[in-house]
Amino acid sequence: DAGVIQSPRHEVTEMGQEVTLRCKPISGHNSLFWYRQTMMRGLELLIYFNNNVPIDDSGMPEDRFSAKMPNASFSTLKIQPSEPRDSAVYFCASSPAGADTQYFGPGTRLTVL
Amino acid sequence: QKEVEQDPGPLSVPEGAIVSLNCTYSNSAFQYFMWYRQYSRKGPELLMYTYSSGNKEDGRFTAQVDKSSKYISLFIRDSQPSDSATYLCAMSANAGGTSYGKLTFGQGTILTVHP
Repeated sequence: DAGVIQSPRHEVTEMGQEVTLRCKPISGHNSLFWYRQTMMRGLELLIYFNNNVPIDDSGMPEDRFSAKMPNASFSTLKIQPSEPRDSAVYFCASSPAGADTQYFGPGTRLTVL
Repeated sequence: QKEVEQDPGPLSVPEGAIVSLNCTYSNSAFQYFMWYRQYSRKGPELLMYTYSSGNKEDGRFTAQVDKSSKYISLFIRDSQPSDSATYLCAMSANAGGTSYGKLTFGQGTILTVHP
């Protein structure tokens, strides 16, 4: 299995631009999680889905952040407009049904200038 | 107060030392406890998984859970430079179920093992 796939691996953008991060979970997993990691705050859960349905988005910092999961094999996290404080590493993780072990992707390192 | 507290370190030890990493938690509903290892510029990967109180050993790694004290530990024996990474504790109230696999993570402890 290829594991969780994220793209792009690195993104550098200017303040005010729209940023879209992409994730392909492990086939057969039915829960998907988006995290943000910084030195100051550690790993923060932003939102998670089960069977493509958003379950809890209380970790999304502002309305500038949105996430979708149109099907079982694809999810996006969008930031519009982006700000320098959004600079972080964003991870996607997936988990199989009935389990709480999460498998993480390699992350997207976002830099907003 | 955070649900899970973990000393971020950094922790620096010589090769061969025994390393002790710890987390405390406040939610008594947590029953499943994990340790993830994260190498620099990589995603976290599952290292150890334990259920309820007790010890679990895997090679040089031992995970220990004390639910009465709400305290978990990870011990690394004969530490190697390749163990240098960030170690994150994680826990959940149930395996999947209504939490759908959601985990609560600690801050992570940065460990460096120098030759």
